[in-house]
Amino acid sequence: SAVISQKPSRDICQRGTSLTIQCQVDSQVTMMFWYRQQPGQSLTLIATANQGSEATYESGFVIDKFPISRPNLTFSTLTVSNMSPEDSSIYLCSVGDRGRGYTFGSGTRLTVV
Amino acid sequence: AQTVTQSQPEMSVQEAETVTLSCTYDTSESDYYLFWYKQPPSRQMILVIRQEAYKQQNATENRFSVNFQKAAKSFSLKISDSQLGDAAMYFCAYRNYGGSQGNLIFGKGTKLSVKP
Repeated sequence: SAVISQKPSRDICQRGTSLTIQCQVDSQVTMMFWYRQQPGQSLTLIATANQGSEATYESGFVIDKFPISRPNLTFSTLTVSNMSPEDSSIYLCSVGDRGRGYTFGSGTRLTVV
Repeated sequence: AQTVTQSQPEMSVQEAETVTLSCTYDTSESDYYLFWYKQPPSRQMILVIRQEAYKQQNATENRFSVNFQKAAKSFSLKISDSQLGDAAMYFCAYRNYGGSQGNLIFGKGTKLSVKP
């Protein structure tokens, strides 16, 4: 299975600032997925990131708020911009594993104060 | 659009006993994947078991097994000989079958407690 290194594991940020989350995969993958998990809730897909093209965002999520970078087949970043307390969540990246399942990063716990 | 429903927000089981977590889903597709993921307090998502819809045989992984009822669109997880380390959030997830690796659709989760 692929191994994902996700950083940072947690952060406390001031409202109005931005945080960039990184995910590094130990193998080349076509698609990477970014999820948000609000406190006590399930995972909600933010966007799908393909290398070499613009990310595809789900309803309710916009590029200005959650810009995504996918410079190569092993790396992606998600930025949470102009943060407010409502952005306090766990953010996870994920990659498919040839149909066997999906591997997730260890998550970033973001608290906005 | 596909949906996944977990009707049990919380469940509790005695250590060494068996517990079943429920999951139903809605889809018009005939081929798809179903998954159970475990999320302990560390928040790491761990794949427990997967099932391909075209396989009639229920998937089994050690103490974990599923009851897949395709016609009823039901996919329950049975945990046998429950251990303290099984305590976690359990999420049922769905993915369309296809060439591209589409995203997972998750249920709301079931919080499992294991009593010593």
